[in-house]
Amino acid sequence: AQSVTQLDSQVPVFEEAPVELRCNYSSSVSVYLFWYVQYPNQGLQLLLKYLSGSTLVKGINGFEAEFNKSQTSFHLRKPSVHISDTAEYFCAVRPRDNYGQNFVFGPGTRLSVLP
Amino acid sequence: DGGITQSPKYLFRKEGQNVTLSCEQNLNHDAMYWYRQDPGQGLRLIYYSQIVNDFQKGDIAEGYSVSREKKESFPLTVTSAQKNPTAFYLCASSLRQAHQPQHFGDGTRLSIL
Repeated sequence: AQSVTQLDSQVPVFEEAPVELRCNYSSSVSVYLFWYVQYPNQGLQLLLKYLSGSTLVKGINGFEAEFNKSQTSFHLRKPSVHISDTAEYFCAVRPRDNYGQNFVFGPGTRLSVLP
Repeated sequence: DGGITQSPKYLFRKEGQNVTLSCEQNLNHDAMYWYRQDPGQGLRLIYYSQIVNDFQKGDIAEGYSVSREKKESFPLTVTSAQKNPTAFYLCASSLRQAHQPQHFGDGTRLSIL
């Protein structure tokens, strides 16, 4: 079974400051990793995903994430946030080897960008 | 454009009443999912379906039912047996390969009158 931990339930940050949202996972098998963003009263949108290759992946809206296998982490970063980045962010994993296996989501981190 | 359509966006239910939430996708995805979202609890899987005419219970299936008669459609019924149905419900779909991400609808917010 897999589990995903997002230790920070809320992260306040000032506009134009850098931000890091933490994600750690536990799994007995190899997984694919995803970050999603959810704006108020909307569904989730894919920000980026790690499948293989370079451990630094770039996504939409200037976000990037780094996969660290030894620490089982997939932290999300942005060097300079905007007010419009205020949203909830979810980390998710899915087992690589089992066809049709389901996603496991973390509890989410609410990012609040302050003027 | 392809996507997932959930309707209605807001829904009100009286005590003892069943209600059905609609989810339609035109992405030609095999798999479809229903999640419940409560504040501070992330997403919890209610039901999922990998192919037409087949579906499985997720983590919190009690009080809910689904059908998958067509590839494009995966309606969710919230029955009167669900004692705390007030929540935000999200439908998602994906291709079955493990590296493919899920695509989400914009959700239905269900409230009890």
